[in-house]
Amino acid sequence: EDKVVQSPLSLVVHEGDTVTLNCSYEVTNFRSLLWYKQEKKAPTFLFMLTSSGIEKKSGRLSSILDKKELSSILNITATQTGDSAIYLCAVEPGGGADGLTFGKGTHLIIQP
Amino acid sequence: GAVVSQHPSRVICKSGTSVKIECRSLDFQATTMFWYRQFPKKSLMLMATSNEGSKATYEQGVEKDKFLINHASLTLSTLTVTSAHPEDSSFYICSARNLAGVPETQYFGPGTRLLVL
Repeated sequence: EDKVVQSPLSLVVHEGDTVTLNCSYEVTNFRSLLWYKQEKKAPTFLFMLTSSGIEKKSGRLSSILDKKELSSILNITATQTGDSAIYLCAVEPGGGADGLTFGKGTHLIIQP
Repeated sequence: GAVVSQHPSRVICKSGTSVKIECRSLDFQATTMFWYRQFPKKSLMLMATSNEGSKATYEQGVEKDKFLINHASLTLSTLTVTSAHPEDSSFYICSARNLAGVPETQYFGPGTRLLVL
């Protein structure tokens, strides 16, 4: 059974801080790892990672995959209150015809 | 990216009634769509995989007779919660895979909040 573990489960920091969210996985047949941001509605896509060691970047957010360690990190620099959300990590199995397995998420709270 | 819509966004119904939720891919065709469920303060759990023109594949523990899935066209999948009970109250989210998308991955609809009284 595929498994995704995220840490920490919750995190409270001050505006301007940098945060690192962790995701580790066990999957029989790996295709990709995805990061999503969820506020009050459905998750919004952040990154899709397929190759080890290649950093994906979008503004203050960045992410990297380590296939040897079966893990990924999501970094957010110069955090803002609008970054407060639940960050979900998911793995997509090979073939593309299977659904995603999600971790429990990291609940990030940015205090002014 | 790709756009996936869901309708309705919110529904309140009485126990015992059936509720139909629609999931549409608006700007691409999707042979495969997925239905997830999210209980409060929990993560998304895959319920079933909806395949156009064939039967849906259900995850272990999901009753296929209770959660009817129909994927009648390449842009529409429906989930019907039959004889809904309060424990079915949840946030139901669909996703669709855009094979021509950049990146080629699943895109989520906005979700449907179901409250069964």
